[in-house]
Amino acid sequence: GIQVEQSPPDLILQEGANSTLRCNFSDSVNNLQWFHQNPWGQLINLFYIPSGTKQNGRLSATTVATERYSLLYISSSQTTDSGVYFCAVSGAGSYQLTFGKGTKLSVIP
Amino acid sequence: SAVISQKPSRDICQRGTSLTIQCQVDSQVTMMFWYRQQPGQSLTLIATANQGSEATYESGFVIDKFPISRPNLTFSTLTVSNMSPEDSSIYLCSVLTGNEKLFFGSGTQLSVL
Repeated sequence: GIQVEQSPPDLILQEGANSTLRCNFSDSVNNLQWFHQNPWGQLINLFYIPSGTKQNGRLSATTVATERYSLLYISSSQTTDSGVYFCAVSGAGSYQLTFGKGTKLSVIP
Repeated sequence: SAVISQKPSRDICQRGTSLTIQCQVDSQVTMMFWYRQQPGQSLTLIATANQGSEATYESGFVIDKFPISRPNLTFSTLTVSNMSPEDSSIYLCSVLTGNEKLFFGSGTQLSVL
């Protein structure tokens, strides 16, 4: 199956700083999504982005499908951005999403 | 989007017993999945819950241990059978909506003593 690698595994930011999270995948994908798991465990869907660029407030994401990676940008980080960010993908002919190991983000005041 | 109600939210169980987790969705969905998240780990897909037929299990998961029912397009249950401490995890119900976005319930935190 598709392999998903996320980096960095851990990230500590000062409030107000910007960050870039990366997701590499091993094969072509028909679905790629970014999730935020907050400290209480709830998973929130941030982006559905198998290709191209999207923005939602302070968050934006870019997927370069031909080069098999996706980036999640967080600008002007806030303490509420803390948690784990997961990238998940599925390949051609599949609906089942495979998750990366996540990036644990801690934003300190 | 989809609103997913999952219960119980948490439970503490004795080894050797079974627990059934319920997942209710506010709209009809074709694709429904069950994931497991072990402490400090990522999410691992257990199975795809198929309406009206047997679930499709991923490698390492078997029906005898994790029986799944899907009687209609809005409801599913996952049973964790003959539990051991290694089954202590968060179990998550999820659905894929028509625009191919995946949404999750709030999860069931299971502790097995």
